[in-house]
Amino acid sequence: EAQVTQNPRYLITVTGKKLTVTCSQNMNHEYMSWYRQDPGLGLRQIYYSMNVEVTDKGDVPEGYKVSRKEKRNFPLILESPSPNQTSLYFCASGHRGSYEQYFGPGTRLTVT
Amino acid sequence: GIQVEQSPPDLILQEGANSTLRCNFSDSVNNLQWFHQNPWGQLINLFYIPSGTKQNGRLSATTVATERYSLLYISSSQTTDSGVYFCAVERRGGSEKLVFGKGTKLTVNP
Repeated sequence: EAQVTQNPRYLITVTGKKLTVTCSQNMNHEYMSWYRQDPGLGLRQIYYSMNVEVTDKGDVPEGYKVSRKEKRNFPLILESPSPNQTSLYFCASGHRGSYEQYFGPGTRLTVT
Repeated sequence: GIQVEQSPPDLILQEGANSTLRCNFSDSVNNLQWFHQNPWGQLINLFYIPSGTKQNGRLSATTVATERYSLLYISSSQTTDSGVYFCAVERRGGSEKLVFGKGTKLTVNP
């Protein structure tokens, strides 16, 4: 089944404790991206990747890191999480060339 | 950047009613998608529709790219249709980033 998977789905952590949210897709998509969704602010792009080893900042990259060592995986790293990173996070993927994008199920992160 | 406006912001229906949701965008687009965010927060792809008309069961969508709007039609609504409907666009010449509207919150009462 074609899908985008994220892990974990729910996470409660404390300020400063490094964490990684994994994203994987099985559709051989070149493009992958991370978004966060916050009440009143909607969905905003954090980082994106056009292909392996190619990443770039989105609209709200501060406090996040990404890597794209393999085509199927695009992990989101929070080196020192803070409470303002409490949010619902989505990973998305698609073929390059403005085709349909597919979203993962979301990761609900709470930083205390 | 490109602006995406959705209307109405809120919509309450009785089961069985029909509805039309609108999405206006301010620039030419390569991609337009409609999503349904269910009560568990998941974003469900409804339509990939940069232009033209598509139908999927009780749902259909039309995008008139030259006039910069898209419409999502829901017929014979059911309680399971409740949730938030988002329109998202990728600006032509952009980096494939999807810019989301603020959504239409739909409540279907039994």
